[in-house]
Amino acid sequence: DAGVIQSPRHEVTEMGQEVTLRCKPISGHDYLFWYRQTMMRGLELLIYFNNNVPIDDSGMPEDRFSAKMPNASFSTLKIQPSEPRDSAVYFCASRLKTGAEAFFGQGTRLTVV
Amino acid sequence: AQSVTQPDIHITVSEGASLELRCNYSYGATPYLFWYVQSPGQGLQLLLKYFSGDTLVQGIKGFEAEFKRSQSSFNLRKPSVHWSDAAEYFCAVGAVRQNTGFQKLVFGTGTRLLVSP
Repeated sequence: DAGVIQSPRHEVTEMGQEVTLRCKPISGHDYLFWYRQTMMRGLELLIYFNNNVPIDDSGMPEDRFSAKMPNASFSTLKIQPSEPRDSAVYFCASRLKTGAEAFFGQGTRLTVV
Repeated sequence: AQSVTQPDIHITVSEGASLELRCNYSYGATPYLFWYVQSPGQGLQLLLKYFSGDTLVQGIKGFEAEFKRSQSSFNLRKPSVHWSDAAEYFCAVGAVRQNTGFQKLVFGTGTRLLVSP
């Protein structure tokens, strides 16, 4: 398996624009997680899904953020409108239901100017 | 709610010297504990994990960690550090929910390891 795949690796956008980050989890994994990493706050869990259903979105910072998982092999994290303070590295991770190790993608570095 | 504390933001170790990175957790039940490593520009890679059983766990790249329930600690160690070990290290605790396994990881703020020649 190729591991967790995120796209794009880098995204630069202007304030106010919509940004969509994409994630393909490892095939067969039941859980998918979105994390945000910043210098100030470290790694924060934004939301996670179990079998495509959002379980806990309490980490989503505000209504500008939304996440979907239309099927077992794809998830998106959308920011609309984007703001400079959203600049961060966003990681997607997945894991098996019965296992506990989460596998991380290489992240998307988002810069909002 | 569970939490993880990594008290050292930066640590500098000479190549060949031993290493210990500290991690303390707060969680009401038996925790699932992990150490991840992140190299610059990369995602997180699992070094080792503790679920139950032997409190001294071995991981990849020569790392080990010891779970001490009485101290709520899960410190990471390596007897001899290599320059390639320079990276950021994250301790994490998994929230356990009955019958489903743990559901989410909460990470510490990380410790950046610098290796001097």
